Amino acid sequence: EIVLTQSPATLSLSPGERATLSCRASQSVSSYLAWYQQKPGQAPRLLIYDASNRATGIPARFSGSGSGTDFTLTISSLEPEDFAVYYCQQRSNWPRTVTFGPGTKVDIK
Amino acid sequence: QVQLVQSGAEVKKPGASVKVSCKASGYTFTSYGISWVRQAPGQGLEWMGWISAYNGNTNYAQKLQGRVTMTTDTSTSTAYMELRSLRSDDTAVYYCARDVSGSGYFDYWGQGTLVTVSS
Repeated sequence: EIVLTQSPATLSLSPGERATLSCRASQSVSSYLAWYQQKPGQAPRLLIYDASNRATGIPARFSGSGSGTDFTLTISSLEPEDFAVYYCQQRSNWPRTVTFGPGTKVDIK
Repeated sequence: QVQLVQSGAEVKKPGASVKVSCKASGYTFTSYGISWVRQAPGQGLEWMGWISAYNGNTNYAQKLQGRVTMTTDTSTSTAYMELRSLRSDDTAVYYCARDVSGSGYFDYWGQGTLVTVSS
């Protein structure tokens, strides 16, 4: 099974700052990686799919990059509503298996 | 607009079964698959499996094989997830999610159903 690790576990930043979140896969997932945002008490929200494509309605301040085993989610300038937990997800062996990373919490410094 | 509306919270005893429903609206149900994802309290997301609403094909996470069954009722655009032989570590919020055109990414999610397993 492909294992995803995310770093850092927690990122403490101020509004307006740039956030850089990392996701690493235990083996290549090509570009089959997505990012989700989850706020307390809410379902996850798809932000990025296929490593770098923004989902419908996602602001341009969210961008994704990477391929193979190393991926990055960048939030160019944090808005107050961006403080949340972010998960990466791989689907390289779809539909046989899907795995999520453990998450990175972005909180207010 | 696309909506996935799940059934209400459940409390079950260890060893029992639970069946959670997910009623879809706002799109052609049989054109998309549905995955189920769960989240234990304070923990991350765990994919449980997928069902094609077109033909009923399923794939289940290996750790749940034999305990989980996913079905659909196309006449009511509803997906179901049944989990048997419940244990305390099955306590979680269970989500249904629509996959984006069979891609394995999930663009719409239900509101979640809390299943509590306790004696």
